[in-house]
Amino acid sequence: QKEVEQNSGPLSVPEGAIASLNCTYSDRGSQSFFWYRQYSGKSPELIMFIYSNGDKEDGRFTAQLNKASQYVSLLIRDSQPSDSATYLCAGGGGSSASKIIFGSGTRLSIRP
Amino acid sequence: DGGITQSPKYLFRKEGQNVTLSCEQNLNHDAMYWYRQDPGQGLRLIYYSQIVNDFQKGDIAEGYSVSREKKESFPLTVTSAQKNPTAFYLCASRRTSGTNTGELFFGEGSRLTVL
Repeated sequence: QKEVEQNSGPLSVPEGAIASLNCTYSDRGSQSFFWYRQYSGKSPELIMFIYSNGDKEDGRFTAQLNKASQYVSLLIRDSQPSDSATYLCAGGGGSSASKIIFGSGTRLSIRP
Repeated sequence: DGGITQSPKYLFRKEGQNVTLSCEQNLNHDAMYWYRQDPGQGLRLIYYSQIVNDFQKGDIAEGYSVSREKKESFPLTVTSAQKNPTAFYLCASRRTSGTNTGELFFGEGSRLTVL
């Protein structure tokens, strides 16, 4: 079982709609979770990080963490064409304090 | 400016050669990481280091080696034992003090091609 799993997509969402990205993790001791956005050929850039159960909102982005279900999600409201990218979920800080593992990424395409 | 510097950006290697990718950070972060990314894939952890003179293998360490002699530097050597080294390599660093620690900061990456 992979430590962090994502639906690889591609996920296609109309402009202005909500995009929902999901991620599950296997290490119950994981404490820190991150969502990164990566454009083709570029390095990842941080969108959100979350440590506590519940929701965390930042502008059009909301991260949700459910530690009981070992589930992390990212919602993007009012999707824009510039949101088209690969979204990487990452988690760690559990059994090995600094180990951070990434999922395989979900390709998101926002159609006009 | 604070950040992470990777060099070279592009590197070509002949089969059988070792190459070293440089990673330097001036963020005063304790932890540093190397990831590999293949086309259309996520990031796979090669090695990581929590403190100077200490490092741990990630999921795909075979054929790679690292050193951490200084807090600022974490070079990665791709050895001839790595059978398929063509990939995009990303270095990152992270603050690890405290319970809720920081996110990974990434360099711009090094793209290695084996000829």
